Amino acid sequence: EAGVVQSPRYKIIEKKQPVAFWCNPISGHNTLYWYRQNLGQGPELLIRYENEEAVDDSQLPKDRFSAERLKGVDSTLKIQPAELGDSAVYLCASSPTTGTGTRGQYFGPGTRLLVL
Amino acid sequence: EDQVTQSPEALRLQEGESSSLNCSYTVSGLRGLFWYRQDPGKGPEFLFTLYSAGEEKEKERLKATLTKKESFLHITAPKPEDSATYLCAVLSNSGYALNFGKGTSLLVTP
Repeated sequence: EAGVVQSPRYKIIEKKQPVAFWCNPISGHNTLYWYRQNLGQGPELLIRYENEEAVDDSQLPKDRFSAERLKGVDSTLKIQPAELGDSAVYLCASSPTTGTGTRGQYFGPGTRLLVL
Repeated sequence: EDQVTQSPEALRLQEGESSSLNCSYTVSGLRGLFWYRQDPGKGPEFLFTLYSAGEEKEKERLKATLTKKESFLHITAPKPEDSATYLCAVLSNSGYALNFGKGTSLLVTP
């Protein structure tokens, strides 16, 4: 089966500019996650979707971050405006059922963001 | 609050030199403990899930074990291709997101 697809793979922007990341989960996976991974750290959850509903966005900095998952499939994560501290890898993951099954979550390759 | 601590932060081994990575955790009801491998520039790749103390899982040169407070990832006779960052994560009964440790960066030299 095809894995989680993310684009772009790399993005370099000036601070205060907007940026958007796209994720296509594994077909049939209802649950979608966005994580942020800082250098030398493990991934940290930003938001979780069950189908098209954001059911856990407590860690999402809502003043500058937004996300959507139209039709319960693809998802977009946006930052506006970007700050230097937003430089990180943004990982998308999906799982087939509500919550996490025996294989945990399936991760995409990530988008590496550098804010200058 | 769930906590996951991995040690050591970095480990350098000679090819064939067996060792273990540690993952200590505090969680309000463990639903599962997960081990992932992450290569540079890639997303985490699933290795194992452990659910209860005493459980063990094996895959090639890797063996994961679980107690009530920690998990070990044993690497037997490692090869250079085993070089990667190994991440441990817990899933608690109170949540749906994985809580990750910082990882152990493993380098195996020929």
